[in-house]
Amino acid sequence: GAGVSQSPRYKVAKRGQDVALRCDPISGHVSLFWYQQALGQGPEFLTYFQNEAQLDKSGLPSDRFFAERPEGSVSTLKIQRTQQEDSAVYLCASSKRDRVFSHEQYFGPGTRLTVT
Amino acid sequence: DQQVKQNSPSLSVQEGRISILNCDYTNSMFDYFLWYKKYPAEGPTFLISISSIKDKNEDGRFTVFLNKSAKHLSLHIVPSQPGDSAVYFCAASGAAGNKLTFGGGTRVLVKP
Repeated sequence: GAGVSQSPRYKVAKRGQDVALRCDPISGHVSLFWYQQALGQGPEFLTYFQNEAQLDKSGLPSDRFFAERPEGSVSTLKIQRTQQEDSAVYLCASSKRDRVFSHEQYFGPGTRLTVT
Repeated sequence: DQQVKQNSPSLSVQEGRISILNCDYTNSMFDYFLWYKKYPAEGPTFLISISSIKDKNEDGRFTVFLNKSAKHLSLHIVPSQPGDSAVYFCAASGAAGNKLTFGGGTRVLVKP
């Protein structure tokens, strides 16, 4: 499997539950990004890692959102005490090299989160 | 404020004809622009990109044009094929080359 993979593909959570979304980037890709895509809109940036360092988390909508990439490969996006407005598709993308040299990002299929 | 805008939410074109998708941006710090294609239940797929030092980039049936003074870019698909039916997003990044800022998308339908 050469592409970015995400799991689960679909998640239904009751309001107030915590969820964890996983991303496996393309092997060797240094940079990893999380985006949130609401229905009918374009993806919106959440956070960015270069290896294990979280260099930008300016897009995280609240302190209920937390992301990590402890070994510089797999990443997890955690949402605590989910709210209905968190319902969206969460996309993960990875990029070949560091941010200066590579702009193209390769996306996974996304996790569709529905909060009821 | 939307920094990247795709003002046409949808486009319908006959197979074999040209599809032209437009995108406008407001942030003059953007210096790299990308187009992505998205099918339902899949992630966006990278199509073509252009650096701000160029005004045109071609890859097969896809050509992207950039007009920096107008802060406008367009994607031309020639000839259009039914398999091109999808949602197309334009995206922009700044000099640091990290996060992408996306437009709202244009849904293209190519009729056989």
